[in-house]
Amino acid sequence: EIVLTQSPATLSFSPGERATLSCRASQSISDYLSWYQQKPGQAPRLLMYDASNRATGIPARFSGSGSGTDFTLTISRLEPEDFAVYYCQQRSNWPLFTFGPGTRVDIK
Amino acid sequence: EVQLVQSGAEVKKPGESLKISCKGSGYNFLSYWIGWVRQIPGKGLEWMGMIYPDDSDIRYSPSFEGQVTMSADKSISTAYLQWSRLKASENAIYYCARHPRTATYFDSWGQGTPVTVSS
Repeated sequence: EIVLTQSPATLSFSPGERATLSCRASQSISDYLSWYQQKPGQAPRLLMYDASNRATGIPARFSGSGSGTDFTLTISRLEPEDFAVYYCQQRSNWPLFTFGPGTRVDIK
Repeated sequence: EVQLVQSGAEVKKPGESLKISCKGSGYNFLSYWIGWVRQIPGKGLEWMGMIYPDDSDIRYSPSFEGQVTMSADKSISTAYLQWSRLKASENAIYYCARHPRTATYFDSWGQGTPVTVSS
């Protein structure tokens, strides 16, 4: 089973700052990695897929990179609505999907 | 507009049965997998499995196989998740999500169905 690790569990930033979130896979998953944003009381929302592709309607301040085992989600300038929990998810070994434990982005 | 609309909140006792639903609209329901994801309060997301409504091909996560049953009624564009005997540990929000057939992600999500299991 492929395990995804996101650390740290919580990051604190001020609005306007650049945020870099990490996701690491226990073995190579090529670029089969997606990122989701979840706000309190809401369903998750797809942000990025296949490591570096923005989903429909996602602002350009969000970008993703990586391949193999190490992946990054970058938010270039944090807006107030970006404070949320971010999950990575892999689907390398069809038909199994796994999610990372999530990183909470808090306001400093 | 693509929409997945889930059935409402449920309150059940341990040992009771339950079936929750997820109705798709705004797209060809038969051409996408519907996945189910559990979120225990305060915790992360767990993929439970998925169903392809056109032929009812089902893939369960090993963690959930035997614990739940997935089904679909393609005539009404609705997928279902059911339990025969609920446990208190299954207290959670359950989301359905659409998965494009050859893709690696879930691109549209239902609003979630909270399930409370308490004696």
